[in-house]
Amino acid sequence: QQQVKQSPQSLIVQKGGISIINCAYENTAFDYFPWYQQFPGKGPALLIAIRPDVSEKKEGRFTISFNKSAKQFSLHIMDSQPGDSATYFCAAMKTSYDKVIFGPGTSLSVIP
Amino acid sequence: DTAVSQTPKYLVTQMGNDKSIKCEQNLGHDTMYWYKQDSKKFLKIMFSYNNKELIINETVPNRFSPKSPDKAHLNLHINSLELGDSAVYFCASRAGDLYNTEAFFGQGTRLTVV
Repeated sequence: QQQVKQSPQSLIVQKGGISIINCAYENTAFDYFPWYQQFPGKGPALLIAIRPDVSEKKEGRFTISFNKSAKQFSLHIMDSQPGDSATYFCAAMKTSYDKVIFGPGTSLSVIP
Repeated sequence: DTAVSQTPKYLVTQMGNDKSIKCEQNLGHDTMYWYKQDSKKFLKIMFSYNNKELIINETVPNRFSPKSPDKAHLNLHINSLELGDSAVYFCASRAGDLYNTEAFFGQGTRLTVV
């Protein structure tokens, strides 16, 4: 049972374009939704995160949109750059239970 | 100054052997984890420790035994290695309170069982 679903599995975007990755979750007890970025040969690193009391959070070129009623959230990368090429994981967590559940990941390639 | 460090980075071993992976964090965090990343990059939690106590054990075979000698270290010992254990294993840590929710990951240990 996949508690956090993520799409697409892979994404190719031209430099300067917008990358959009979508996620959906089942458990309404989740109260923290981070996105992690992973480069080849490295561990995942936190990119941006949101709590369900806000509908959008922006940090630089990265924006999370959150729809609590639909149990969906998405990551938008504006002005995508080749350096953004990596695997992106959405995740969900119930902070009182302390377990981060990851989506299956999206491999993003930004081509010049 | 590495926050979460794992050793070794690569580990190649034969089926049936016993091996250990070490993890240390210098962030002063209370909570540490082991995650397994398979060949399709799927990340799955294996164990969570808080202040040296086991909090989460995600139905991992008992050939896998984590050990936390102190809250800065969480080692993973694997007995009787099988081909299916081949994966990248990540150690992670976080502060452990409800507000400091960022998990910091090590660079991973690529385990290959032949």
